[in-house]
Amino acid sequence: ETGVTQSPTHLIKTRGQQVTLRCSSQSGHNTVSWYQQALGQGPQFIFQYYREEENGRGNFPPRFSGLQFPNYSSELNVNALELDDSALYLCASSFRDGQFLHFGNGTRLTVT
Amino acid sequence: KNEVEQSPQNLTAQEGEFITINCSYSVGISALHWLQQHPGGGIVSLFMLSSGKKKHGRLIATINIQEKHSSLHITASHPRDSAVYICAALSGTASKLTFGTGTRLQVTL
Repeated sequence: ETGVTQSPTHLIKTRGQQVTLRCSSQSGHNTVSWYQQALGQGPQFIFQYYREEENGRGNFPPRFSGLQFPNYSSELNVNALELDDSALYLCASSFRDGQFLHFGNGTRLTVT
Repeated sequence: KNEVEQSPQNLTAQEGEFITINCSYSVGISALHWLQQHPGGGIVSLFMLSSGKKKHGRLIATINIQEKHSSLHITASHPRDSAVYICAALSGTASKLTFGTGTRLQVTL
């Protein structure tokens, strides 16, 4: 097992810029979900990808977008960064029914 | 009101104590995860439950679907159990997780 790997681990961006976060899913998992965790709060569901298609979305604006690739790795893109986007972004891979859920260690994004 | 509520929010215990963390949810679920988050952010799934009870080492998780309630128990607690414990309800076709507010556990010697 290789586990879920996220990159980069830390990132500092300026308001208005764009950012791409990456996630390599656990071997054999076809579903990837992204979560935003603000400091001191629980994670919030951004969206999920299953077999390269968006399979559900939380209450996040369209400037949050994503991709899943044929090898089931995934990207989270955020355009027009705002200060409130500063958070820990977590990626989790699993089977489609949520079994065998594995989280990455997250990317800590700071927007200044 | 959050869809998934946990209690207590903070818990301090001495090594060896029996610990219980409670989780109540108001959404329909297909399953519930208990997660452990250490400082720095890494999250580990401890259990996924859809009914009954599961045990792994010193950890026991139970769920009552009718009452929409789950509990995580830690027997013979140890300082290395210190972490934030989060219950997360799995629901919908997207297998979306809705997270509880978390319980910060500190186990002292």
